[in-house]
Amino acid sequence: EVQLVQSGAEVKKPGESLRISCKGSGYSFTSYWISWVRQMPGKGLEWMGRIDPSDSYTNYSPSFQGHVTISADKSISTAYLQWSSLKASDTAMYYCARHLFPGDSNSQFDYWGQGTLVTVSS
Amino acid sequence: DIQMTQSPSSLSASVGDRVTITCRASQGISNYLAWYQQKPGKVPKLLIYAASTLQSGVPSRFSGSGSGTDFTLTISSLQPEDVATYYCQKYNSALFTFGPGTKVDIK
Repeated sequence: EVQLVQSGAEVKKPGESLRISCKGSGYSFTSYWISWVRQMPGKGLEWMGRIDPSDSYTNYSPSFQGHVTISADKSISTAYLQWSSLKASDTAMYYCARHLFPGDSNSQFDYWGQGTLVTVSS
Repeated sequence: DIQMTQSPSSLSASVGDRVTITCRASQGISNYLAWYQQKPGKVPKLLIYAASTLQSGVPSRFSGSGSGTDFTLTISSLQPEDVATYYCQKYNSALFTFGPGTKVDIK
């Protein structure tokens, strides 16, 4: 069974750093791109960026470029989303999602993690 | 950047009604269009990709059509379990973009 299991909820202060994780199982982790999606409270879905776990090649949305870093450790089938300096406006649910077709960076998302709620407050 | 719009932003319909949601791209995207369903408090679920291909396991009352700039998602007979927000997403090129969503509930 394909699963993406994300790390638990986080409460942080502005300016702090954070890394959240997404562990894939039940499939060949290096064969499928992973994307990250933000959902702010009561709002819609925003694509943040994607990574090819086989070589850690990444693309970012211009809206998130420079503010977050996406990475992966293929040895433990885990993708990461990290911030070096959080802002209150980063408060949101963050999802990782697997691309539908192997090796295809431009495909839609078939499996999603359960989401990680990040709360940034002083 | 290509912008995605959806209409209506919300709708209320009766059980058994035919429901249609429209998604429009600001530039042509061929058929690189997917639809997702997000029930309250739940994870998004892929319904349709390539504008009209039903994802495995999705009920046949859901269908999609369109190409270029104009797309539709149709629910042929609305069921109580279809209460959700529906998002379109374009996935061509290096930039993915979601539409703002259409909230569907039961009248």
